[in-house]
Amino acid sequence: QKEVEQDPGPLSVPEGAIVSLNCTYSNSAFQYFMWYRQYSRKGPELLMYTYSSGNKEDGRFTAQVDKSSKYISLFIRDSQPSDSATYLCAMSVNTGGFKTIFGAGTRLFVKA
Amino acid sequence: EAQVTQNPRYLITVTGKKLTVTCSQNMNHEYMSWYRQDPGLGLRQIYYSMNVEVTDKGDVPEGYKVSRKEKRNFPLILESPSPNQTSLYFCASSQAGGSPLHFGNGTRLTVT
Repeated sequence: QKEVEQDPGPLSVPEGAIVSLNCTYSNSAFQYFMWYRQYSRKGPELLMYTYSSGNKEDGRFTAQVDKSSKYISLFIRDSQPSDSATYLCAMSVNTGGFKTIFGAGTRLFVKA
Repeated sequence: EAQVTQNPRYLITVTGKKLTVTCSQNMNHEYMSWYRQDPGLGLRQIYYSMNVEVTDKGDVPEGYKVSRKEKRNFPLILESPSPNQTSLYFCASSQAGGSPLHFGNGTRLTVT
């Protein structure tokens, strides 16, 4: 079983839709939770970063962490064609040094 | 501009021919890391470094070497590349372990 599970999609939605992306994890020691966006031929870029259960909002993006269920989500409101990308969840744990584990990524297509 | 620079962007080589992929960051970050990205597997950590002269294995270190002699540089060395090391490689840095990662734009390596 992978430490972090993420549905690879692809996920196709019409412009303006609300998008929900999810990851589950098995290691209760994970302390930091992140979402990255990756466009084709580019490196991942940070979207959201949090270290506690609950919601964090930034513009059209909301990150949700439920440590009791080992489940994190990213919601995108009013999705735009420019949101078409691969979204990666990531989690960090201190094992003496810090390791960051990524989900496989979900490909999102937003149709105009 | 704050950035992580990897070189080369594309590399084609033959089995057994030693190669080095360079990585440099200009943000005075303590933490640096190498990942490989493969379809369906997502980003997997190869090696990471918490600071100068401090390196440790990630999840897939076999066949790779790293060194951290200066804070800004973290080269990845493949002493005897094999075809199963054909992949997309990313270097990343962060202020400290567990902090959000800044990624380079990747190096696509093909080993024939």
